Amino acid sequence: AQSVAQPEDQVNVAEGNPLTVKCTYSVSGNPYLFWYVQYPNRGLQFLLKYITGDNLVKGSYGFEAEFNKSQTSFHLKKPSALVSDSALYFCAVRGYSGAGSYQLTFGKGTKLSVIP
Amino acid sequence: GAGVSQSPSNKVTEKGKDVELRCDPISGHTALYWYRQSLGQGLEFLIYFQGNSAPDKSGLPSDRFSAERTGGSVSTLTIQRTQQEDSAVYLCASSPTSGGGNTQYFGPGTRLTVL
Repeated sequence: AQSVAQPEDQVNVAEGNPLTVKCTYSVSGNPYLFWYVQYPNRGLQFLLKYITGDNLVKGSYGFEAEFNKSQTSFHLKKPSALVSDSALYFCAVRGYSGAGSYQLTFGKGTKLSVIP
Repeated sequence: GAGVSQSPSNKVTEKGKDVELRCDPISGHTALYWYRQSLGQGLEFLIYFQGNSAPDKSGLPSDRFSAERTGGSVSTLTIQRTQQEDSAVYLCASSPTSGGGNTQYFGPGTRLTVL
């Protein structure tokens, strides 16, 4: 079975400071990893994904994430936070193959608040 | 192009009534997924369709839940005899195929409230 952990329910960061939202995963074999963002009363919006290759993945709105296989982590980062980045962030994983590998398994979400 | 659309955006119903939720995927996407987002359970997978293959219903929480996909496009999720614990946001997603690296694109969701 695959699983995702987002250890922080909430992250507060001052505007202009770097931000990190943590994610660790468990899956059989190599993973496909995704980050989504959800604004209030909206659906999930895709930010970035790791499939293979370079461990540093760049995505929308200046976000990036680093895949670390040894630590089974895929932390989301941004060098300089904006107030408009305040939202709910979800990490998700799916496996390469096997039963249920097509479905995304999500973490519980991390609420990011950027303080002006 | 147009994204995934869902209707209605909000649905309030009385306990015991049946409801139908609709999803219109991105044109050309052969894979379609339903998820449920609730405060207690987070985001849960419900059901998956790929082309004309039989759907995987392994995530459906009870036999009151069913879904169909007509013509390989529009999908309808039906909940019979709704219960208060069915209150949640129901999200639909589509992807070009079901291959693991494909991104799933989500619709805005239907917020279901069962009184």
